[in-house]
Amino acid sequence: EPEVTQTPSHQVTQMGQEVILRCVPISNHLYFYWYRQILGQKVEFLVSFYNNEISEKSEIFDDQFSVERPDGSNFTLKIRSTKLEDSAMYFCASSAGLGGTGELFFGEGSRLTVL
Amino acid sequence: EDKVVQSPLSLVVHEGDTVTLNCSYEVTNFRSLLWYKQEKKAPTFLFMLTSSGIEKKSGRLSSILDKKELFSILNITATQTGDSAVYLCAVRDVGTSYGKLTFGQGTILTVHP
Repeated sequence: EPEVTQTPSHQVTQMGQEVILRCVPISNHLYFYWYRQILGQKVEFLVSFYNNEISEKSEIFDDQFSVERPDGSNFTLKIRSTKLEDSAMYFCASSAGLGGTGELFFGEGSRLTVL
Repeated sequence: EDKVVQSPLSLVVHEGDTVTLNCSYEVTNFRSLLWYKQEKKAPTFLFMLTSSGIEKKSGRLSSILDKKELFSILNITATQTGDSAVYLCAVRDVGTSYGKLTFGQGTILTVHP
């Protein structure tokens, strides 16, 4: 069964460092997303991406965050200068789009720990 | 701002019991409600509901939506230890991008043998 894959599964970094989280969405999907879940809290929307541009972003997704689809398969989330409060599980998701079943397929997540 | 509240926050049952999980929501312009199961990491899709009163069913799980009273329930009959997980409810608003889901805090279900 096709799945969304994310790397790394866990990353530990120092405050102020740049981090890139990588995702390979399901191959025929057109819409890509990043969500995050701080430990013990709700899953929160960060950004949606379609046709090589951001279609919506949340208030959390400030200038420190960026997304890119550098080639036909990868979808990345970059945090330029990490803060302690960026520590969370980051989920990538993809969907077929409006013509599909409507479900988002989530990856296993990348746990980011900022020290 | 869209809002989703789930209850109970946690539930402990024994195998064979039936459970009902609740999800109430406030959304500006409702498009759909989704249920996910989160075992260890990735939320996995269970159901998407768009119309009131139509039950969606998959094995021992079923779900129904009430758009007038703004809630949904997820039922699990004859629970098994493998049903232990966090169950997440999320809503999708017409006015936002297709993949923007607003999640509730989840219900932690623990099924003891």
